[in-house]
Amino acid sequence: DVVLTQSPATLSVTPGERISLSCRASESVDTYLHWYQQKPNESPRLLIKYASQSISGIPSRFSGSGSGTDFTLSINGVELEDLSIYYCQQGNSLPYTFGAGTKLELK
Amino acid sequence: EVQLVESGGGLVQPGRSLKLSCAASGFTFSNYYMAWVRQAPKKGLEWVATISTSGSRTYYPDSVKGRFTISRDNAKSSLYLQMNSLKSEDTATYYCARHSPEADWFAYWGQGTLVTVSS
Repeated sequence: DVVLTQSPATLSVTPGERISLSCRASESVDTYLHWYQQKPNESPRLLIKYASQSISGIPSRFSGSGSGTDFTLSINGVELEDLSIYYCQQGNSLPYTFGAGTKLELK
Repeated sequence: EVQLVESGGGLVQPGRSLKLSCAASGFTFSNYYMAWVRQAPKKGLEWVATISTSGSRTYYPDSVKGRFTISRDNAKSSLYLQMNSLKSEDTATYYCARHSPEADWFAYWGQGTLVTVSS
């Protein structure tokens, strides 16, 4: 199974700053890497597909990059509504797997 | 608007069975692979099962293979998860999800239904 390791586990942020979240795969997943946001008491929603492709309705401050085993989700100008848990997920091979998540909290 | 509404969760004893349902609307159900994804309390996400458009192909991780069965009724736009031999570690919120057209990511999620396995 492909193991996805997300870091950091928790990130303390100040509104307005640019941040980067990491997701590393135990083996290459090409660009079959997707990012989700889960706000407290809500279902997950897709933010970025195929490592860097934007999703309709998602604010442009969210962007993704990477391929192979190293991926990054960036938020350019964090807003209070972005305080959530972010998960990466690989769709390159079964079983589909998720990272353990990175929680954004207010500094 | 895509809507996925799960039902059937509740408290069940270890070793017993439970069947979850998901009612889909707002899209042509028969055109999409569907899935179940679960989340244990305060934990991360775990893919549980996927089913093809016709229902002829199903996929599971080892953690539930042989105990869980995913099925669908395209005429009723409904998805199901039959869970047998339940264990305490199956306690989680179970989300119904619509796959992407490529079937490798999850485009839409329901609100989830909580399953608690405890004596």
